[in-house]
Amino acid sequence: ETGVTQTPRHLVMGMTNKKSLKCEQHLGHNAMYWYKQSAKKPLELMFVYSLEERVENNSVPSRFSPECPNSSHLFLHLHTLQPEDSALYLCASSQDPGRETQYFGPGTRLLVL
Amino acid sequence: RKEVEQDPGPFNVPEGATVAFNCTYSNSASQSFFWYRQDCRKEPKLLMSVYSSGNEDGRFTAQLNRASQYISLLIRDSKLSDSATYLCVVIVGGSGNTGKLIFGQGTTLQVKP
Repeated sequence: ETGVTQTPRHLVMGMTNKKSLKCEQHLGHNAMYWYKQSAKKPLELMFVYSLEERVENNSVPSRFSPECPNSSHLFLHLHTLQPEDSALYLCASSQDPGRETQYFGPGTRLLVL
Repeated sequence: RKEVEQDPGPFNVPEGATVAFNCTYSNSASQSFFWYRQDCRKEPKLLMSVYSSGNEDGRFTAQLNRASQYISLLIRDSKLSDSATYLCVVIVGGSGNTGKLIFGQGTTLQVKP
């Protein structure tokens, strides 16, 4: 399935690096999300965008900076990350915010050294 | 207390067995309830909704007990392909396009031949 794509699929970065994660949805949805999934923890919602406007930011550290240039694309800019930020970062989209049927991308597995 | 709580397992069962997972949620104002499935190293996908009257989809039965704030998923005649992590999901806040999805940690099922 290619409804929601994410690149890169794997990323290793040092604490001083700057990198960006990219998400693209081909479903015509209005809402996009970033989630963090760490081992043995539930998915944590990081950001919600609706029609390119950020509607929710769940107290995420400023070293994570989202960008939504249009309703099909979502970025997560990373800088000066910590080792505890190592996790799977999942992008999702839904027709509208709060809809139960969220379509997830395959995720970016991030390792911060 | 976690907003959505699940026994992480793993549940190891033989093929053909019946297995049940439970999930409790803390917010009595939760509006909607779902089960997602996440295969190893893959993204979560919606499995089924959970309705107040209980609902069935083939070998899967979902039930909701609002009084006890408890959701269950029953899998009959387990198949090897059912091996996955099952995520309990609750929508809190408003319904429709104002709610927020809260994910449980997930329960891991391993079906053995």
